[in-house]
Amino acid sequence: SQQGEEDPQALSIQEGENATMNCSYKTSINNLQWYRQNSGRGLVHLILIRSNEREKHSGRLRVTLDTSKKSSSLLITASRAADTASYFCASFYNQGGKLIFGQGTELSVKP
Amino acid sequence: GAGVSQSPSNKVTEKGKDVELRCDPISGHTALYWYRQSLGQGLEFLIYFQGNSAPDKSGLPSDRFSAERTGGSVSTLTIQRTQQEDSAVYLCASSSDRDTEAFFGQGTRLTVV
Repeated sequence: SQQGEEDPQALSIQEGENATMNCSYKTSINNLQWYRQNSGRGLVHLILIRSNEREKHSGRLRVTLDTSKKSSSLLITASRAADTASYFCASFYNQGGKLIFGQGTELSVKP
Repeated sequence: GAGVSQSPSNKVTEKGKDVELRCDPISGHTALYWYRQSLGQGLEFLIYFQGNSAPDKSGLPSDRFSAERTGGSVSTLTIQRTQQEDSAVYLCASSSDRDTEAFFGQGTRLTVV
């Protein structure tokens, strides 16, 4: 894709397990964001990490950013069936105003 | 408004017809984005606006696609002479400025028959 890739494309885990998703990007960024999408409609913003931050927490979410490797990861701890959704990373292409999304990871959490 | 509003939520149109999709962003948000998402796929960037101007139109798939934004608020995405491959969910988002979190509408599901 224009800005980067996510892996895995799909992830299936049991409730209570942790889920880790990875994202790589190509250009310089000011920040990297993670979004969640249920049922193929509107996306919901989860967390934003700035380029001068290495790690950020929000509830059961933990995001890391490695600007030297142009990569980020999203960890969801103690997953629940309600976490089943698609997760996307996004960044502003070349630090401009064009917000580009990765291809997403489809997470399935089985009860 | 309270959130980003898109209309219609669903649109079925015949091949060859023109369609207009509307996005009403959150009041005061200067940045507005349009994306297209085909079934099971990621978000394809179409265009973004900063105020009324569109610095980057590189994502528009063909010259059948155009978009405008007036008064720094409502935006309209127009698809002329629709084709079956235009069938997708069209998502709009806005943000208070470039480089901040974006808020999404629920999308317009376009089906071209």
